[in-house]
Amino acid sequence: SQTIHQWPATLVQPVGSPLSLECTVEGTSNPNLYWYRQAAGRGLQLLFYSVGIGQISSEVPQNLSASRPQDRQFILSSKKLLLSDSGFYLCAWSLREKLFFGSGTQLSVL
Amino acid sequence: EDQVTQSPEALRLQEGESSSLNCSYTVSGLRGLFWYRQDPGKGPEFLFTLYSAGEEKEKERLKATLTKKESFLHITAPKPEDSATYLCAVQEGNTGTASKLTFGTGTRLQVTL
Repeated sequence: SQTIHQWPATLVQPVGSPLSLECTVEGTSNPNLYWYRQAAGRGLQLLFYSVGIGQISSEVPQNLSASRPQDRQFILSSKKLLLSDSGFYLCAWSLREKLFFGSGTQLSVL
Repeated sequence: EDQVTQSPEALRLQEGESSSLNCSYTVSGLRGLFWYRQDPGKGPEFLFTLYSAGEEKEKERLKATLTKKESFLHITAPKPEDSATYLCAVQEGNTGTASKLTFGTGTRLQVTL
């Protein structure tokens, strides 16, 4: 069966520091991968998605970037975090339109 | 632009008190409407996909229905373990292979004894 791993679970970072969140999927090959952000009082917002290695589509202009160095690995990065980057970050993969989410990373930028 | 509005924002029920959650949507060509359950501090868990008006899906105490403008999640005789945030999402057509879902802000359900 397919599983998705996301880490860390929580992260507290100072403004201006770099960020790297990692997500890996097991049990499937060539999955579509996604990064969503969930801010307090707002719906999940799609940030990036990838349909293959090295293929990244950005949905929202922002301070973040994504990379897919391997088939089942998806990384969310920032060179300098802003206060507005705080939120709950979720990685997901899809199977026939259904999204399956990881456990999320709660990021607090102080 | 796709829009998804969920109501109410929060709902408190007593155990056994049935109710419905609403999801109204605006989308150019619905490809699918999705319901998810999210527990605090966790990722959303997939519940249902509905594709066309008139379709219904059931799972235990939950039943999802779909019309051309909205979807309902009916909860029959809820139990405290049904307490969670329920999210609705839509996917419009012409998105290729990617599942680019637009989510509502959710309904926080609390079921008390």
